[in-house]
Amino acid sequence: NAGVTQTPKFRILKIGQSMTLQCTQDMNHNYMYWYRQDPGMGLKLIYYSVGAGITDKGEVPNGYNVSRSTTEDFPLRLELAAPSQTSVYFCASSYPTARGPSYNSPLHFGNGTRLTVT
Amino acid sequence: GEDVEQSLFLSVREGDSSVINCTYTDSSSTYLYWYKQEPGAGLQLLTYIFSNMDMKQDQRLTVLLNKKDKHLSLRIADTQTGDSAIYFCAETHASGGSYIPTFGRGTSLIVHP
Repeated sequence: NAGVTQTPKFRILKIGQSMTLQCTQDMNHNYMYWYRQDPGMGLKLIYYSVGAGITDKGEVPNGYNVSRSTTEDFPLRLELAAPSQTSVYFCASSYPTARGPSYNSPLHFGNGTRLTVT
Repeated sequence: GEDVEQSLFLSVREGDSSVINCTYTDSSSTYLYWYKQEPGAGLQLLTYIFSNMDMKQDQRLTVLLNKKDKHLSLRIADTQTGDSAIYFCAETHASGGSYIPTFGRGTSLIVHP
């Protein structure tokens, strides 16, 4: 069981270039997320999806785009890369499970993509 | 301000207990989680607690929840060097029909001999 797989592991981009960070999960989870992690700043939510065909902005969506054409895949697109996008990017998935009146939704994370924009 | 707050660093001696604290602001939080991040890796779920509980124990880990004060803690007994990592507190609550977690900034636990 591979879980959440992210590619590539590392990437260096020049300012203005574009790229797609890939994320796939094999757990049939309906929720998927993209976070960025900067030192000492915790995790900031970029975009999330509650199912195929549905995406929503998180806390820091500017400069990014996503799509969710299948349950398994949730790619993150960077257009016109900027130095402020230098970060470690994590993809995660979850399957909120009803427990009485609320839902338990622990996240499963990939190992991250370390991106440097120079 | 932040919805979930944690102190950034904790240093303990090997064999001692570690206590990592977290406060949150949303009174409708339903589940609260502790994740561990080792260097160069993603976050892994350590444990979670439902908001109608006040304690949960799992081997060396004890989670305490004070719902009145919105305070969550993670106690690691007999801390080992392998416990050195960043620990994240997170909470979920219903928002527009979705359950999107909010994370703290993480506490770096350093275990020294």
